[in-house]
Amino acid sequence: DADVTQTPRNRITKTGKRIMLECSQTKGHDRMYWYRQDPGLGLRLIYYSFDVKDINKGEISDGYSVSRQAQAKFSLSLESAIPNQTALYFCATSDLAGTGYTFGSGTRLTVV
Amino acid sequence: AQSVTQLGSHVSVSEGALVLLRCNYSSSVPPYLFWYVQYPNQGLQLLLKYTTGATLVKGINGFEAEFKKSETSFHLTKPSAHMSDAAEYFCAVSRSSSNTGKLIFGQGTTLQVKP
Repeated sequence: DADVTQTPRNRITKTGKRIMLECSQTKGHDRMYWYRQDPGLGLRLIYYSFDVKDINKGEISDGYSVSRQAQAKFSLSLESAIPNQTALYFCATSDLAGTGYTFGSGTRLTVV
Repeated sequence: AQSVTQLGSHVSVSEGALVLLRCNYSSSVPPYLFWYVQYPNQGLQLLLKYTTGATLVKGINGFEAEFKKSETSFHLTKPSAHMSDAAEYFCAVSRSSSNTGKLIFGQGTTLQVKP
């Protein structure tokens, strides 16, 4: 099994729908992150969590929310999806030292 | 604040030629630096990283990078390109402390390898 598992792998949804992307990890890391990847923009940080009770906005948090249900689970929600949220989304974890990051395989989201 | 700039969104080389992908960073503290590769329709794979110690870092698939503090650079090189190196490459920076540790990415460089 993968260290960081994202579900679903692919999703097509309609404008205005609520959607949740899920991430679970077996690394035992406290720190977890959500990124989105767009062509020419690299990966941009949406939200991050340094422990279960610590949630922080990243550089592009508008239109997104997160939930840290447990050390191992970090979910990203789009309350009302819009087409410009079409992107590849990655979940990641890191060790406390910030020297090792583990990424999931990504969720390709299309909003039509 | 930290930021990363990758010079050149597209780089094209011939098979067997030197690969040089440029990365400059800004950081108020000594950085941790990373290079990732993303093959088409795949996730991210760590090529190499610099945290402390030797400034010339060797990674997988024959890649290496050198941390140059005076130039705030962490350029990625490979002496001889292979067709299989065609991919997108991302430079990233982080630093551990109670208030940072976020991994910040550059915009990415697409490497094309011509036969």
